[in-house]
Amino acid sequence: AQSVTQPDIHITVSEGASLELRCNYSYGATPYLFWYVQSPGQGLQLLLKYFSGDTLVQGIKGFEAEFKRSQSSFNLRKPSVHWSDAAEYFCAVGGLNTGGFKTIFGAGTRLFVKA
Amino acid sequence: DTEVTQTPKHLVMGMTNKKSLKCEQHMGHRAMYWYKQKAKKPPELMFVYSYEKLSINESVPSRFSPECPNSSLLNLHLHALQPEDSALYLCASSQVGSSGANVLTFGAGSRLTVL
Repeated sequence: AQSVTQPDIHITVSEGASLELRCNYSYGATPYLFWYVQSPGQGLQLLLKYFSGDTLVQGIKGFEAEFKRSQSSFNLRKPSVHWSDAAEYFCAVGGLNTGGFKTIFGAGTRLFVKA
Repeated sequence: DTEVTQTPKHLVMGMTNKKSLKCEQHMGHRAMYWYKQKAKKPPELMFVYSYEKLSINESVPSRFSPECPNSSLLNLHLHALQPEDSALYLCASSQVGSSGANVLTFGAGSRLTVL
C-alpha cells in the first residue's frame, strides 16, 4: 500500500521569498507522484506530476518538483512566492491496487504568505 | 470542456432524509471517483468507478450509495447519515490507462451538513 508524509503542517514565507514544501512517499513499485493545490472551499488543482524520465518536473504557476528515489522524496519548490500562492498543498502518490488505480493524499501543508 | 461539475454546492439534510450528490464530466474520462474531505484534512478516497463499474469501495458505510448511470455521470445517494458525515464531498475523473490513469480532475465539491 502506498502512503505519503508531509512533515510540515503549515509554513509561512514572505512574498518574494523562495519556497520548499517537503513530501516523502512509500510505495513498493515506481510511484506516480503529484502535487495538488486547494484554495479554501474549492476542489483540488493539479500543479505537476512525475511518472518517469527527468526527475525535475515543471508545473503550472512557476512551481517545480524534484523526484529523489534514494530519499523517497518529491519536494515542491518555487523561487519567488506570490501572495496568491497562499493555499493548501497536497502531495499525492498513485499506484495500482486491487480493483484499480488509487491516489492517496498526504495530510497537506498550509502555506501562508506575508506581505 | 475540461470541467467536472458538482451539484449542489451546499446541502443541509436531516438524519432521516434521502438526498443525492451529482457529478458530471464531458472530458471523455472513463474513471470517476468520490472523495470525502473533512475540515483541515486531506481528501479520503471513497469509491472508484472504471468504465461505469464499481472497482474500489474503501469500506464505506452503506448509508452512502454510489451510482454511475453512464460514462459522464456519477451520483452519490445519501440516506440516514450521521452528523459526523458532514464534510466536503469531492468528485474527480481521470483517463484509464498506464500514462493517464492518475491525473485527477476535481470538481469544486459539495459541502454537506447533516443536522
